[in-house]
Amino acid sequence: SQTIHQWPATLVQPVGSPLSLECTVEGTSNPNLYWYRQAAGRGLQLLFYSVGIGQISSEVPQNLSASRPQDRQFILSSKKLLLSDSGFYLCAWSVPDSGRAADTQYFGPGTRLTVL
Amino acid sequence: AQSVTQLDSHVSVSEGTPVLLRCNYSSSYSPSLFWYVQHPNKGLQLLLKYTSAATLVKGINGFEAEFKKSETSFHLTKPSAHMSDAAEYFCVVSEYTGGGNKLTFGTGTQLKVEL
Repeated sequence: SQTIHQWPATLVQPVGSPLSLECTVEGTSNPNLYWYRQAAGRGLQLLFYSVGIGQISSEVPQNLSASRPQDRQFILSSKKLLLSDSGFYLCAWSVPDSGRAADTQYFGPGTRLTVL
Repeated sequence: AQSVTQLDSHVSVSEGTPVLLRCNYSSSYSPSLFWYVQHPNKGLQLLLKYTSAATLVKGINGFEAEFKKSETSFHLTKPSAHMSDAAEYFCVVSEYTGGGNKLTFGTGTQLKVEL
């Protein structure tokens, strides 16, 4: 069966510090991968998605970047964190290349980031 | 562009009474719709999804939702609430972008279940 991991679970970082959040998926090959952010009291916002190694699409301009160095690894980074980067970050995966809007996305446990 | 509106930010019910969480959607073509549940500080779990087959969709934990095209609604219901149902619920519409499917989330409904 497939499993998705995220770490760390919680993180407290000062403004201006760098960030690296990691997501890995087990039990599937070449998944589509997604990063979402959930700010307090709001729904989820799609930040990035990837359909393959080195292929990243950005949904919104921001202080963050994403990379996919391996097939089942997805990393969210920042060079200098802002207060507005605080939130709950969720990684998700879906079946690759099925070409259907009905595909289910499966979510990881999330990372709670607090920027002080 | 697609969008989702969850009509209630908070819903409170007594244990054993019915649950109704309301959702309206907007989509330029036949949508795929989902309901996810999120318990505090946890990831999202899929409850059910509509994919243009049966309009009444049954999900996990006794939840179901009915797709009504004429009303552009996809309300989530459960006949009898349990304490463990207390969580936040998200209605989601999906479109295929050519590079994975893009989900648009509602702002969520917080369900409180009281004794």
